[in-house]
Amino acid sequence: AQTVTQSQPEMSVQEAETVTLSCTYDTSENNYYLFWYKQPPSRQMILVIRQEAYKQQNATENRFSVNFQKAAKSFSLKISDSQLGDTAMYFCAFPGGGGADGLTFGKGTHLIIQP
Amino acid sequence: DTAVSQTPKYLVTQMGNDKSIKCEQNLGHDTMYWYKQDSKKFLKIMFSYNNKELIINETVPNRFSPKSPDKAHLNLHINSLELGDSAVYFCASSRSSGGNSPLHFGNGTRLTVT
Repeated sequence: AQTVTQSQPEMSVQEAETVTLSCTYDTSENNYYLFWYKQPPSRQMILVIRQEAYKQQNATENRFSVNFQKAAKSFSLKISDSQLGDTAMYFCAFPGGGGADGLTFGKGTHLIIQP
Repeated sequence: DTAVSQTPKYLVTQMGNDKSIKCEQNLGHDTMYWYKQDSKKFLKIMFSYNNKELIINETVPNRFSPKSPDKAHLNLHINSLELGDSAVYFCASSRSSGGNSPLHFGNGTRLTVT
């Protein structure tokens, strides 16, 4: 079964610092995508970044980047120069699982950026 | 234009009632979904719908039923509401099924059952 684990329920850093959110997953698939979503207090679910498993190069989107370790099944999100607007729940997601098509989400990490 | 829109934004109702949540996407996507987010923020897939094929998460009670009048709409009907149904319900869509296309979410409907 596909599982996604986020081991940090909550993290807090100062503005402008760099923070890394961890995510591990379990799969027998060889080719797949991985996703990070952000949910600010407004409740909206926003795609932050995605990574193709067969691409060795780590994905980057402005201040957001991933550290993808396929053999270790690890997919961490690094946020550089953190801003107050980065305060949100962050969810790692992986295809399949749950008995229906779509993405399976981790339990989330609540990230707080302190001024 | 909003890509995935769902209504209402908030829904407060009493136990035993029947209610519906509407969802529409204007992205031309082939697959639509319903997710439930509980009070601990855990997101759980309920249904996916692609080309008239419905895939149901086996843990979803049969009081919940999706209805798709066309490819752009997937409405959620809930019968005999229970206190435990209180949650935020998200509609989403993706270009294709299989989980390798990113999901585009609506803004959620907060359902409160009293």
